[in-house]
Amino acid sequence: GAGVSQSPSNKVTEKGKDVELRCDPISGHTALYWYRQSLGQGLEFLIYFQGNSAPDKSGLPSDRFSAERTGGSVSTLTIQRTQQEDSAVYLCASSLAGGRGGRPQGTQYFGPGTRLTVL
Amino acid sequence: KNQVEQSPQSLIILEGKNCTLQCNYTVSPFSNLRWYKQDTGRGPVSLTIMTFSENTKSNGRYTATLDADTKQSSLHITASQLSDSASYICVVSASAGTASKLTFGTGTRLQVTL
Repeated sequence: GAGVSQSPSNKVTEKGKDVELRCDPISGHTALYWYRQSLGQGLEFLIYFQGNSAPDKSGLPSDRFSAERTGGSVSTLTIQRTQQEDSAVYLCASSLAGGRGGRPQGTQYFGPGTRLTVL
Repeated sequence: KNQVEQSPQSLIILEGKNCTLQCNYTVSPFSNLRWYKQDTGRGPVSLTIMTFSENTKSNGRYTATLDADTKQSSLHITASQLSDSASYICVVSASAGTASKLTFGTGTRLQVTL
């Protein structure tokens, strides 16, 4: 079956511009996550969507970052007024929700990522 | 502060040889530990998931071990193949596994050569 897809695969932008990154999760997965992976660094959690619940935004580094998930499926991560330090690979993952309290217990399936370069 | 440290940072081995990657963590309260394989330019792919009560888990030529007392895990790769060349990431989940409590290691970059 189809996995998690992300677009674009690569994005180069000028400092100060806004960018939108898209994630299509696996069909039926109610949990969706965004991560950032900078060169030589581990994955950094950004935001988590679970069904119709309010998203967990605790990982967003600044108010320039925002994300939406429309209709419980596709998600868009928006970075406004990009800075050079925003350059990284942005990874999206989805999983089946489970466990008590709606908390995710399943394996996260990752997309290929979007490589963002801010000049 | 929750941390996950992996070693070595990089490793080069000959095809057919075995290798072991290490993961030490200070994550509390511990829920589970996962190993992911990340090919260059691709997203991570899950290899194993282990909870507190599991000491070892295998997935083909990959065998993961967990010592919850010493907070150490290892990933052993047997009879390595060129396709094993990738980054291997250790991820530790705290409590009930909410996304905000996942702590990722920086990975071990493995290169398998002829």
